[in-house]
Formats: sequence, structure tokens, C-alpha cells
Amino acid sequence: QQPVQSPQAVILREGEDAVINCSSSKALYSVHWYRQKHGEAPVFLMILLKGGEQKGHEKISASFNEKKQQSSLYLTASQLSYSGTYFCGTEIQGGSEKLVFGKGTKLTVNP
Amino acid sequence: DAGVTQSPTHLIKTRGQQVTLRCSPKSGHDTVSWYQQALGQGPQFIFQYYEEEERQRGNFPDRFSGHQFPNYSSELNVNALLLGDSALYLCASSWEFGNEQFFGPGTRLTVL
Repeated sequence: QQPVQSPQAVILREGEDAVINCSSSKALYSVHWYRQKHGEAPVFLMILLKGGEQKGHEKISASFNEKKQQSSLYLTASQLSYSGTYFCGTEIQGGSEKLVFGKGTKLTVNP
Repeated sequence: DAGVTQSPTHLIKTRGQQVTLRCSPKSGHDTVSWYQQALGQGPQFIFQYYEEEERQRGNFPDRFSGHQFPNYSSELNVNALLLGDSALYLCASSWEFGNEQFFGPGTRLTVL
């Protein structure tokens, strides 16, 4: 039931782009994306709902492919502040806000 | 607008002891969820409280129990602590009719 995230880790230079994927074997109601910096709490980035539109703000956006039960997080023109571990949390269709998180993708942005 | 707050920040206990962690939800939120995050892993759902009742529960033993108060704040209690209970315990709050969950800073529990 735990979603699978890929890649496990990625290293970028400032200004480069990255894509982080999250896939589930279960039908999903929603996908939530969080970024967590070392020693801090996860910070909410965005949520994608079944039947909803692709979300995004500034240089971070995400999509949700309902047929494949997959979501992708797009980071464009990465900044140093984007470094951290990105988690997707999935809500199973018909669930009740219980989130099941993937193992995370560690993103490192170097100058 | 205060976000989600948790106390204490850090806690050290020995095996067999009991611990109580506290959480105050974000203003306007009425639902509290608790998660356990082991080092290098994603958060794992423990349980969720709404209207002072446990609404959902993850795969955690009965040693883990909780409570929600009329002001929506919540407590997580863990009895008979084991070494494997060492983790970051996160509280997340949300609104019954919303979808986003906002996390608190967490309580780092170390069991010796």
C-alpha cells in the first residue's frame, strides 16, 4: 500500500530541473506533496485531487495521472532552498484523510 | 496565526516507561492526526482524532493511545516503551471539510 517514489536521491546544480515520481498500486483519491529539511517538520507543498487540475506555484508544479495512479512533482530552475527530502502522501479512494507516505526522495541542490 | 505546536521538543526515556506528547492544532482546524517517523523513513500514520474520538487507526499496538480535548488539542500516550519506539513523532492538523494537513515541528523521542 505504501507508494513508491523515484528516484531515491537526486543531485542538481542551481538552475537545473528535476522530476520526482510517486506511484501507487491502489486507486487514489488524492496525492499530497511535502518537503522536509533535516531536523524539521514536513512542509505542505500542494495537494492533487482525483479529477482535479494540475497544480503549481512559481517553479514547483505537480500532476496526477488517475489512470496510472501516479503523480509527478516538477521542480524547474532549482534554487538552493529546494534542497530537502520530498515525500508524497497518498489517500486511498474512499479513505478518510489517512495519508500513506512514500520513503522519500532526497534532493540536493549545489551552487 | 499560530501553526501546529507540539511539546516537548525532545524527550529521553528508558525502556518500560510511559510518555505523553502534546499537540495544539492550527487555528480553525478540528482534526488531529499523529504520525511516527523513523530515521530515513516517511511518516507512518498512528491514528486520527475528530470530535474527541479516534476515527482512524494505523498498524500500531494498543500501547499507543490518544485523546482529543474539547479545544481540539490532542495527546499521544505510549506505554511500556521499547527501544524501537525511538522516533520523531509528528502531529498534523486539518479541517474536517478540507484536505490539507499541516505538520507541527515534532517531538524527538529517544528510548534508552
